[in-house]
Amino acid sequence: GAVVSQHPSWVICKSGTSVKIECRSLDFQATTMFWYRQFPKQSLMLMATSNEGSKATYEQGVEKDKFLINHASLTLSTLTVTSAHPEDSSFYICSGGGYGSNEQFFGPGTRLTVL
Amino acid sequence: GNSVTQMEGPVTLSEEAFLTINCTYTATGYPSLFWYVQYPGEGLQLLLKATKADDKGSNKGFEATYRKETTSFHLEKGSVQVSDSAVYFCALSRSTDSWGKLQFGAGTQVVVTP
Repeated sequence: GAVVSQHPSWVICKSGTSVKIECRSLDFQATTMFWYRQFPKQSLMLMATSNEGSKATYEQGVEKDKFLINHASLTLSTLTVTSAHPEDSSFYICSGGGYGSNEQFFGPGTRLTVL
Repeated sequence: GNSVTQMEGPVTLSEEAFLTINCTYTATGYPSLFWYVQYPGEGLQLLLKATKADDKGSNKGFEATYRKETTSFHLEKGSVQVSDSAVYFCALSRSTDSWGKLQFGAGTQVVVTP
């Protein structure tokens, strides 16, 4: 199957700093990518839909000014957690798929810990 | 709205036992249905899928049949192995949503002991 990478795989930061997470589709082009958040032993919660060349679409209850998404190319989407706080600590996962396909390929996730 | 309901875990089994994980859904229209698996420390992987009623998805000995009359997509495997220990997620995708937008169930942890 297609490969999606995420970088970094884990990050620890101080409260108040910003952290950028990259999501790349390595062998396919993704006009749309999705960002999820997963709490320990819980399901994935969709945060936003990242659209190449346009603004992201955020799910209800997700602060767009806190979780900045940029999808500058067909193979790269970034999620920036701004002014991070301990409650933002979580596992962030992205996914992408080919155009017109509802099959998604998931990145390995990024563990964010905010001290 | 749309929702996916899975049986709660953890499910603990002995090797070679039969595994069933129940999944039911609520959705308008005709969603596509998926099972994803997350092995410890890894990302989600597609296990199998079905795109229309009565379709059966199968992979690695796992099977699930899209039952529209009961709005279910139960996952089964006849003889599990220790390597099947993972968290299994049922998910749906509606054709009216963005391509690839998935609604996940809560996940079911499966532990297979030797």
